[in-house]
Amino acid sequence: QVLLVQSGAEVRKPGSSVKVSCRVSGGPFSNIAINWVRQAPGQGLEWMGGIIPMTGTTSYGQRFQGRVTIIADESTRTAYVEVNSLTSEDTAVYYCARGSREEPRISQNWFDPWGLGTLVTVS
Amino acid sequence: DIVMTQSPDSLAVSLGERATINCRSSQSVFFSSNNKDYLAWYQQKPGQAPKLLIYWASTRESGVPDRFSGSGSGTDFALTISSLQAEDVAVYYCQQYYNVPVTFGGGTKVAIK
Repeated sequence: QVLLVQSGAEVRKPGSSVKVSCRVSGGPFSNIAINWVRQAPGQGLEWMGGIIPMTGTTSYGQRFQGRVTIIADESTRTAYVEVNSLTSEDTAVYYCARGSREEPRISQNWFDPWGLGTLVTVS
Repeated sequence: DIVMTQSPDSLAVSLGERATINCRSSQSVFFSSNNKDYLAWYQQKPGQAPKLLIYWASTRESGVPDRFSGSGSGTDFALTISSLQAEDVAVYYCQQYYNVPVTFGGGTKVAIK
């Protein structure tokens, strides 16, 4: 059984940064995309970007390009998302989700499973 | 970017009745080389992470009750709950994974009438 275990809730001041982790237990890690999706309070789901741990290849949603960095550490089977220059609009639950395909591509994957989410509050 | 539009925003259905959620993509998500539609459906209950229900537009994920079914192709899709149960109260999202950026519909909230 594949489980995605995320780090705990964070509170940050505007203008600061936050880094959220997602450790994958069970199943392959290196050649499967890990994605980050966020959900603002009462709002829908928004894809931030994804990474292939084996190659470090990343892809970002346009509104996150330049302010968000996704990395992965194969030795600890952990992916991270870092968001800089935080504003109140970054207050959200941040989810990691594994891609469906056991091949190194970010595109053309549905997402399963998902982590439980990490609440980031900017205030 | 492919825009995903869901309708309605919310619906209330009596227990045991049928619920249908629609999803339209701004361009086709059908890939002719493998004859598949790159469309998934997720269920999100309050306070929980999304859960995969359907992929390839109509393939039910293992363990998902058979009252859930997906249909459609190209740009128009639907998720049907054939007989609504109390545990189906949730928000449902469609997602296209034809290309990046992956995009989601705005969600449809299903409640009991």
